[in-house]
Amino acid sequence: AQSVAQPEDQVNVAEGNPLTVKCTYSVSGNPYLFWYVQYPNRGLQFLLKYITGDNLVKGSYGFEAEFNKSQTSFHLKKPSALVSDSALYFCAVRDQAGTALIFGKGTTLSVSS
Amino acid sequence: DAGVIQSPRHEVTEMGQEVTLRCKPISGHNSLFWYRQTMMRGLELLIYFNNNVPIDDSGMPEDRFSAKMPNASFSTLKIQPSEPRDSAVYFCASSPADRGEQYFGPGTRLTVT
Repeated sequence: AQSVAQPEDQVNVAEGNPLTVKCTYSVSGNPYLFWYVQYPNRGLQFLLKYITGDNLVKGSYGFEAEFNKSQTSFHLKKPSALVSDSALYFCAVRDQAGTALIFGKGTTLSVSS
Repeated sequence: DAGVIQSPRHEVTEMGQEVTLRCKPISGHNSLFWYRQTMMRGLELLIYFNNNVPIDDSGMPEDRFSAKMPNASFSTLKIQPSEPRDSAVYFCASSPADRGEQYFGPGTRLTVT
């Protein structure tokens, strides 16, 4: 069965520091991996995805994520956090044959000034 | 591109009343998803459609919930009768056939008193 784990409910970072939001997954076959961001009272916004190719994927707002097959991880990263990055972040996975995404529980990122 | 459109944005109703939520997916997208988000349970997939056909409704909590997609540009999620525990934010998302990422609407905040 497919599953996604986001081990941290909350990540706190000072503005200007690098940030990492962790995600691990379990899926049969090759995974399709996604990151979404949700701001208060808004829908989820697509940030980036990994399907195949380069293990380092670049997305919106300066975010990137690194696919690590041996560790079954897809951590979200940004070199320098902004206060405006504070939001709820979701990791999601599906297998090649599927359509529906399995979402993690979400990680709240708080960036302090 | 208008994005996924949902209506109403807010709905307050009394227990026992029928509630209908509406969604217009992005033109050209052939998959449509209904989700429910609560603090307690996070983001839950209720049902999804491919090419207007329901594929997986295992997430629909009870027979009180039903969803339809009469054409490629419109879907409804109906709750009859509504109960206070149905209070949540309901999201609709759509996805193009071969790219995987989903695009979410702004959500409908439902309050059942």
